[in-house]
Amino acid sequence: DQQVKQNSPSLSVQEGRISILNCDYTNSMFDYFLWYKKYPAEGPTFLISISSIKDKNEDGRFTVFLNKSAKHLSLHIVPSQPGDSAVYFCAASANYGQNFVFGPGTRLSVLP
Amino acid sequence: NAGVTQTPKFRVLKTGQSMTLLCAQDMNHEYMYWYRQDPGMGLRLIHYSVGEGTTAKGEVPDGYNVSRLKKQNFLLGLESAAPSQTSVYFCASNPTGFQPQHFGDGTRLSIL
Repeated sequence: DQQVKQNSPSLSVQEGRISILNCDYTNSMFDYFLWYKKYPAEGPTFLISISSIKDKNEDGRFTVFLNKSAKHLSLHIVPSQPGDSAVYFCAASANYGQNFVFGPGTRLSVLP
Repeated sequence: NAGVTQTPKFRVLKTGQSMTLLCAQDMNHEYMYWYRQDPGMGLRLIHYSVGEGTTAKGEVPDGYNVSRLKKQNFLLGLESAAPSQTSVYFCASNPTGFQPQHFGDGTRLSIL
């Protein structure tokens, strides 16, 4: 059973609008979360992180929100740009540990 | 600054053949990881290493072996390849365990 779920395999958004990517987890021990972006034929690259002591972290156009009670996090991209078109993975670890569990990814398409 | 380099990028094997995938990092990172990515699934951890001379099993270690004889290199071996090992393999590294990982661009492996 997947511990980290990204229930939307794909998402299309108009350029300039907000993109919201969702991630749910089942393990209440997870306390550190990351988002990665992946372009075709490249490895994932780190985007933004959040620890369980926070409920929000932002970096430029990217904001991650964490709702611990719902075991849910989301990544907001505002405004969305065509270059944001990629697959986005969320990942979680327990006890700020060394091993991360990855979700299956959501393919974001930003339409010009 | 190469970061994490994976060799080869593509390979086709026949069932029962053996091969070794090489991962090299030039960032002096202690931790290194091997993942596999399959359609509809997140990256799954095969093996990892927390320092030169150490290795440990991840989520899906069966059928694979690893070695970390030098700090900058992490080798993944398939002793007798099986079609179920057809996948894209990613190597990653980080300075310490609970930090975002730097990924290589992947090795696409097909086993016929």
